Amino acid sequence: DTGVSQDPRHKITKRGQNVTFRCDPISEHNRLYWYRQTLGQGPEFLTYFQNEAQLEKSRLLSDRFSAERPKGSFSTLEIQRTEQGDSAMYLCASSYRRFVPGASNNEQFFGPGTRLTVL
Amino acid sequence: GQQVMQIPQYQHVQEGEDFTTYCNSSTTLSNIQWYKQRPGGHPVFLIQLVKSGEVKKQKRLTFQFGEAKKNSSLHITATQTTDVGTYFCAAHSGTYKYIFGTGTRLKVLA
Repeated sequence: DTGVSQDPRHKITKRGQNVTFRCDPISEHNRLYWYRQTLGQGPEFLTYFQNEAQLEKSRLLSDRFSAERPKGSFSTLEIQRTEQGDSAMYLCASSYRRFVPGASNNEQFFGPGTRLTVL
Repeated sequence: GQQVMQIPQYQHVQEGEDFTTYCNSSTTLSNIQWYKQRPGGHPVFLIQLVKSGEVKKQKRLTFQFGEAKKNSSLHITATQTTDVGTYFCAAHSGTYKYIFGTGTRLKVLA
């Protein structure tokens, strides 16, 4: 597998339930991002991992959202007590930071996304 | 906080016409990326610009980074139906996150 994979691809849940999504990045990538995208909008940054460390989290993100990347490989995003406003496409992207002078390419490879619908 | 605006929001062109989308940031950027998202698909990386005044070309696509590193543009020459999709800029200003623009949706009429 040469791409970023996400599971599940679709999730329908009732308001108040907890949901967890998984992202498997490209194997040698040490950077991992989570984004949320609603119809007609650009991806909205949620959080960033470098290896297993969560280095940045959006201030817009409520305490109901949490993400982990325990071994610096796959990552999970959990939403507790879902609300209808959480309905969106959740995208994961990975990239590789090259420690080569003058070669700064942070190309992000996106997964297919998990579409969440909260009823 | 940092804002990234893109114009226009929509653009319909006849096949063969040129297309340009503009991206403007409220702050100075360290680099900017461009992505294309086809309907129903996920964003796909096109290019990254780092240097002030940088111009890069990919076949019919020309990317520019402003001298002040606050704006960028993507120009497509002689559009084709395969160019259909939404084009996003993604701005990086020194923290770890990328702020995506609002996107320009391109429709090409055959």
